[in-house]
Amino acid sequence: DADVTQTPRNRITKTGKRIMLECSQTKGHDRMYWYRQDPGLGLRLIYYSFDVKDINKGEISDGYSVSRQAQAKFSLSLESAIPNQTALYFCATSYSGTSGRYYNEQFFGPGTRLTVL
Amino acid sequence: GQQLNQSPQSMFIQEGEDVSMNCTSSSIFNTWLWYKQEPGEGPVLLIALYKAGELTSNGRLTAQFGITRKDSFLNISASIPSDVGIYFCAGLKFQGAQKLVFGQGTRLTINP
Repeated sequence: DADVTQTPRNRITKTGKRIMLECSQTKGHDRMYWYRQDPGLGLRLIYYSFDVKDINKGEISDGYSVSRQAQAKFSLSLESAIPNQTALYFCATSYSGTSGRYYNEQFFGPGTRLTVL
Repeated sequence: GQQLNQSPQSMFIQEGEDVSMNCTSSSIFNTWLWYKQEPGEGPVLLIALYKAGELTSNGRLTAQFGITRKDSFLNISASIPSDVGIYFCAGLKFQGAQKLVFGQGTRLTINP
């Protein structure tokens, strides 16, 4: 079974609709992230969470909100979707741990392809 | 937002050839990570570098953390068809930042 899962894998919606993307992980990691990928732009950070009570804005948080329901679950919402939010969305996790070296390594889910018409 | 400058943007090579790609920045980074992404999948971590000058291998892949801390290199030796994909570099400016900065990616295509 995959360590980081995302649902749905594909979603087509209309402008103005509310959309929620969900991420679950079985890696036991405390830190979770949401990224957006657009062609030619690499990945850009939307929001990140260091633990259940910690939520931080990333580089491109406008138009998005998140909820960390449990250590293993982190959801991303688009309150009112617009066409320029059409993109691939990835969830990632990492572990703070006791080893200062390894908490920099982030592990990604398979992604959700979102199309806003 | 800041991004790393990754080059080349795309490569078309013959099977068996060696591949080199690099990532540069005007800022110093304390960690460099290299990821590979295949169609329909998320990025998979290939190599992590934590120390200036560090040279690390993972099978046919070798990556180096530049001495200036402003660049990193990835080499693939004797390419095979399954090496096809997009390779991303990512950097962290300091421990605990947790904000990975990504390059734009290098798309590798291999002719058999």
